[in-house]
Formats: sequence, structure tokens, C-alpha cells
Amino acid sequence: RKEVEQDPGPFNVPEGATVAFNCTYSNSASQSFFWYRQDCRKEPKLLMSVYSSGNEDGRFTAQLNRASQYISLLIRDSKLSDSATYLCVVTSGGYQKVTFGIGTKLQVIP
Amino acid sequence: EAGVTQFPSHSVIEKGQTVTLRCDPISGHDNLYWYRRVMGKEIKFLLHFVKESKQDESGMPNNRFLAERTGGTYSTLKVQPAELEDSGVYFCASSQNTEAFFGQGTRLTVV
Repeated sequence: RKEVEQDPGPFNVPEGATVAFNCTYSNSASQSFFWYRQDCRKEPKLLMSVYSSGNEDGRFTAQLNRASQYISLLIRDSKLSDSATYLCVVTSGGYQKVTFGIGTKLQVIP
Repeated sequence: EAGVTQFPSHSVIEKGQTVTLRCDPISGHDNLYWYRRVMGKEIKFLLHFVKESKQDESGMPNNRFLAERTGGTYSTLKVQPAELEDSGVYFCASSQNTEAFFGQGTRLTVV
């Protein structure tokens, strides 16, 4: 079983739609959780951290469910510029090993 | 403040040659990671330094790959001899506590 699992997609959604991605992780001792965004031929960049209490940043909402070991990302009112690959990232261990999911590709279409 | 920088940005080499990739992490970051993304696949962990020590090198594909981190500052990743399947984008990242910051990657093509 992979340490971090994501549906690779692609998710093709129309502008203005709401889309949700999920990610599961296998290590129950994982400590920190993030969503990164990667544009084509670019490096991954932090989109947002994920907390147990959930957090929201504009159109983006991230949630963590430790009991079920999954993380979600909700994007409301999708824009064309949201088209990218969204990477679920989990850190674990005393030295914060960073593990990536395969990434979910989102294509927002006009 | 400078981010994570990687050099070169692109490298095209012939099978059997040697290539050395360099990563300069953000100053003061103890954690340095190397990752590789092969076309169509996920970003795969190669290894993790804490300062100058290799904390975890379980992702290194084979003994043709050698990573070093001199004095706990910059790191190099040498591939010798390179094979066709080594082609991909090699990312370096650094962190201090939680969030990891990435370099722009080195696109390696072995022909």
C-alpha cells in the first residue's frame, strides 16, 4: 500500500463548479499535512496547510480526518487558473520525512 | 531571502556519462530532500539529509546514485554511470520545521 494515495484524475470541471479531492495516508503517526500545487513543468508550491479543525483560504477549504486518515481539498467557484496538479503531502517521523501523493490533475474548462 | 536553488536547470547527457546535480537549500534549513519525477509518475522520494547526515536514503534507486551534503549546507546528487531510465526531473527541497520549499528542479535527459 502506498504511503499517500490520491486519485490521479484528470478531473475536468467547468468554470464555476465546485470540486473536491481526497487523499488517504497509511502512517497513523503522520504529523503534518499539506496541499501543494504544481503547474506544468514547475516546482510544487505550498497551497495550504491542513489542520484537524479544518481551514479555509478564500475559495479553498482543507480538512483533515485523523480517525479515517484522510485529507480533503474543496475548491469552490473554479477558475481557469486553478488548472494544475494538486499534491497531497504528509510529513512524519522525528525528522519530518516528506511524502507525496501522485497528485490529482485538475482541468477547469471554459 | 533566496529560495532553494538548483543547478543546472537542464542537463542532456549520453548513457554511461556522469552528471552531478547541485542543490542550495534555504539558509538555516537542516532538512534537505531529493525527489525525482519520472514522466507520468508521482514525485518519488530519494533521500533526506538532516544537516550533513543521511537520515533516510531508502528511495535511492541503486548504487549509481550518490548524494552528499558538505558541511550541512549545499548538496550534490551524482549519477554515475547514467542510464536511460534516470531521465526525469530532480527536485530538491528544504525545510526547518514543517513546510518544505522546493527548488525549480533539474530536468535530466539521458540519451
